[in-house]
Amino acid sequence: EVQLVESGGGLVQRGGSLRLSCAASGFAFSGYAMNWVRQAPGKGLEWVSYISSSSSTILYADSVKGRFTISRDNAKYSMYLEMNYLSDEDTAVYYCAREPNGLDYWGQGTLVTVSS
Amino acid sequence: QSVLTQPPSLSGAPGQRVTISCTGSSSNIGAGYDVHWYQQLPGTAPKLLIYDNTKRPSGVPDRFSGSKFGTSASLAITGLQAGDEAHYYCQSYDSSLSGSLVFGGGTKLTVL
Repeated sequence: EVQLVESGGGLVQRGGSLRLSCAASGFAFSGYAMNWVRQAPGKGLEWVSYISSSSSTILYADSVKGRFTISRDNAKYSMYLEMNYLSDEDTAVYYCAREPNGLDYWGQGTLVTVSS
Repeated sequence: QSVLTQPPSLSGAPGQRVTISCTGSSSNIGAGYDVHWYQQLPGTAPKLLIYDNTKRPSGVPDRFSGSKFGTSASLAITGLQAGDEAHYYCQSYDSSLSGSLVFGGGTKLTVL
């Protein structure tokens, strides 16, 4: 069974940093591109970042470029999102999602709350 | 504002057919990128409903169907049920954003 489990969310001060993790199981992780998608409270889905299966292609939304860093460790079946200089606008549930054609599997999400 | 435009809300009675539109431009849907649709029930993660414009993942009822024409796409739901009440999002890619993934703003479907 395909599973994606996010962790690392929590309460962080404005300007602070946080590292999210996404643990994958039940499929050949190294064969799939992965994404981070976030959803602010009461808002729609916002794509955050993409990483190809071999990490050769990495993309970021303009809203996080220069502040967030995506990475993956295929040997550990894990993906990460390093988030720096966090602002109120980064408060959201962060989902990791697998991408073959569309985002076919999603984790349950981890909540990041940025507070002053 | 979202790159892909969806109506914010829609409603229908049980048994009815509803259609949710997703309007893009020549740099995303019109450029030939595939459109995918997601259903998000309250308090849960999104679920892939339609991929590659018209295909249904295993387990998705054939009451759900997708189409794409020009710079737009649509999700149709027939035989509306109470359990279909959810937010629906379209998703594609945009060449002006280096092929990055883009979402529609979402449509809240209410079953009357």
